[in-house]
Amino acid sequence: NFMLTQPHSVSESPGKTVTISCTRSSGSITDNYVQWYQQRPGSAPTTVIYVDNQRPSGVPDRFSGSIDSSSNSASLTISGLTAEDEADYYCQSYDSGNPAVFGGGTQLTVL
Amino acid sequence: QVTLRESGPALVKPTQTLTLTCTFSGFSLTTSGMCVSWIRQPPGKALEWLALIDWDDEKYYSTSLKTRLTISKDTSKNQVVLTMTNMDPVDTATYYCARTWNRHFDYWGQGALVTVSS
Repeated sequence: NFMLTQPHSVSESPGKTVTISCTRSSGSITDNYVQWYQQRPGSAPTTVIYVDNQRPSGVPDRFSGSIDSSSNSASLTISGLTAEDEADYYCQSYDSGNPAVFGGGTQLTVL
Repeated sequence: QVTLRESGPALVKPTQTLTLTCTFSGFSLTTSGMCVSWIRQPPGKALEWLALIDWDDEKYYSTSLKTRLTISKDTSKNQVVLTMTNMDPVDTATYYCARTWNRHFDYWGQGALVTVSS
């Protein structure tokens, strides 16, 4: 089994840009797609990025995803931060033996 | 449109078996590639994937919980059922079902809070 490690929390000011990392412990980050989910308090998660860098319809282009093989990590970048972006964010991937693995989640605070 | 809804007991006693039902609409679990998963989230903690069933009735389980979990489907009722045996207070969580496509959870139910307490 592999693990996905995220920072516990990040914070940034409105209008700024923040990046949340997700590091895979074993196996290559490029082997399997990565998804990112946003979860606001009291609500179910929703997808903000799927298959590494694709945005579902309705997700603003302020959200972007990328993969870095050198650090074996995925990143979620949110630009032009607004108060409504304040939420928990989870990365998720898989491999042949594990249909799904979630990261530990990152709490984003917009100061 | 796609919807999923979890149902089951809100409270179970330690050692009891939990049975949760996911009733869905807007898609068919007979479509090639289609899957439904169960995911849980203890209060204030991270998401944890539990189980997945696919259109071909293949089943996959979390390594750490596989001895306690059973997932099944009833395509005629558009339902997926999860049972978890020997419940413990640490299993207190919100349990979600989610449509799964290419290992992406694209639609989620609202979740069902299950508390394990005597």
